[in-house]
This record gives sequence, structure tokens and C-alpha cells, in this order.
Amino acid sequence: AQRVTQPEKLLSVFKGAPVELKCNYSYSGSPELFWYVQYSRQRLQLLLRHISRESIKGFTADLNKGETSFHLKKPFAQEEDSAMYYCALSSSNTGKLIFGQGTTLQVKP
Amino acid sequence: NAGVMQNPRHLVRRRGQEARLRCSPMKGHSHVYWYRQLPEEGLKFMVYLQKENIIDESGMPKERFSAEFPKEGPSILRIQQVVRGDSAAYFCASSSTRGQDEQYFGPGTRLTVT
Repeated sequence: AQRVTQPEKLLSVFKGAPVELKCNYSYSGSPELFWYVQYSRQRLQLLLRHISRESIKGFTADLNKGETSFHLKKPFAQEEDSAMYYCALSSSNTGKLIFGQGTTLQVKP
Repeated sequence: NAGVMQNPRHLVRRRGQEARLRCSPMKGHSHVYWYRQLPEEGLKFMVYLQKENIIDESGMPKERFSAEFPKEGPSILRIQQVVRGDSAAYFCASSSTRGQDEQYFGPGTRLTVT
């Protein structure tokens, strides 16, 4: 079965601390993985996707097929990073997204 | 480009009434996805449509729910005879191509069934 798991509902860190938001997936085939972010009072938007291998706003995510993980990392958290983060997997046929339950990142001053 | 538009933003219906949710995709996008977010849960895929065609409705409940994306006008998600369990946020997303391309999300419609 296709599934995305984000084990942490809430992650609270201090400004300047490293951040790692965990994401594990279950998928038979070659997955396309994404991180979407929703800032307060804004719509859900794409943060990054594994295929582009970019660093966006200091965030990176590496696909580890052996561990079936796609953890999101940032070395130094900023207060403006506080948001809800969703890991998602895309079905290759239709592009429909399978989301994790989301992790709220709270960056304290 | 105004982005994906959804209306209404908030909708209150009594049990047994019908709910109609509208989604206008981004200009130039012909692929529309609907997702539902129940309280305390992540977004769950419902249906994928192209103009005049339902491509994948594997996430749609078998009864009372239907969706369309006509040649002209917005995509409509219709829920007949709503029940309390239908209370949720309904999100629409659009993309320019089929497959694993970026999806652009609307602000969502929050449906409350009383």
C-alpha cells in the first residue's frame, strides 16, 4: 500500500537550532517525493521536490531508498520557518498526491 | 495570475442539504485534483479530473459525492445529503500537465455540517 508517515505531530526548536522533520514512505515503484508547507493564513505551497535536488530557504531533503525516507533538514532554524509541513508522495500514473499527517514546526525566539 | 480560486471559503449546511464547492484552476491549467482534510488528519486525495473527464476517482466515497470539470467554467465538487462526518476542509489543486508535476493549491473551502 502507498503510505506516507510523519511520526511527529509537533516539533519545537529554538531559533538557530538544527531542524529535521521526519518522513517515511511506502511505495512500490519509483517514488516522486515532495515537501509542501503551509504558513499561517496562507495556502499550501510546494517547498521542494527530490527530483530537483534544490535547497529552498535553506531546507534540503535527501531521498534514501534503502530506509524509504525523505527527511527535511535545515541547519539553523529561523522564526519565519514556523509552519505546518507536509511530506507527500506522487503516484506516477495520475500525479495524485498521498500526504503524511503533517508536522507543525514551531521555532521559538 | 490570481492562482487557484475556491469558493465559497466557508460553507455551512444542515444535515440532508446539498453542498456545492467550486474550484477555478490557474490559467492554462487543465488538470484538477480535489483533496479532503478531516480534523486532525492530513490531506486525502479524492478525485482527479481533466476537462470533461474524470481520470481517477479512487478516493471518492461511493455515495453522495460527485465531481465534474466542464468544458467551460469551474470544477464542481458536489455532496448530496450532507452528514456531520462530511465536515472538513476541501482543497482543490491544479497543474499544467498530467503526472508528477507541481500542484498549485487553492485556499480551501471549510464545510461545516450542523
